[in-house]
Amino acid sequence: SYVLTQPPSVSVAPGEPARITCGGKKIGTASVHWYQQKPGQAPVLVIYSDSDRPSGIHERFSGSNSGNTATLSISRVEVGDEADYYCQVWDSRSDHVVFGGGTKLTVL
Amino acid sequence: QVQLVESGGGLVQPGGSLRLSCAASGFTFSDSYMTWIRQAPGKGLEWLSMISGPGSVMYGADSVKGRFTISRDNAKNSLFLQMTSLRAEDTAVYFCARVKAAAAISWWFDSWGQGVLVTVSS
Repeated sequence: SYVLTQPPSVSVAPGEPARITCGGKKIGTASVHWYQQKPGQAPVLVIYSDSDRPSGIHERFSGSNSGNTATLSISRVEVGDEADYYCQVWDSRSDHVVFGGGTKLTVL
Repeated sequence: QVQLVESGGGLVQPGGSLRLSCAASGFTFSDSYMTWIRQAPGKGLEWLSMISGPGSVMYGADSVKGRFTISRDNAKNSLFLQMTSLRAEDTAVYFCARVKAAAAISWWFDSWGQGVLVTVSS
């Protein structure tokens, strides 16, 4: 089955950029989606189809996808961005949804 | 606006059954694929199952195949998850979500319910 690998944690100072990676074999050929989840809350879609932002999501959030790595970037990180972030793809070989293990973003 | 409200969770003994419901509003429910996703305490997200708008197409994770069944009632704007032979490891918060798609080769989840807790314990 297809596996998505995320770093367990990323730390960044306020105002600095953050990058959260999602690794998978030839992930660049898939469409990657990203979710933000704050403690005790449901996940919120922040990026879909590699780099599209849903309405209401700040332009500080952006995404890219190439080769074996997809990346969620947050420019000028704010304290309110502290959360768990999950990447997700549709594995067309197995007809299964696959989530990455999640990355905890800590704002120092 | 889109609203999804799960219900039916609670404490159940190992080997027992439970039926979760998800009441949808704010969009044309019958036009939308829907899905169930769960999250064990302190763990990541785990996709469980997905169903097409008419209910004729279903996809499901191997981990719950044969035990969990997704269904829907479009007349009542409701999504269901029938869970049987429950185990301690099924303890989790269960979310329903609306599915969006691009050309049926990419699926994502743009609206989520608040989740409902299922605890499997004796």
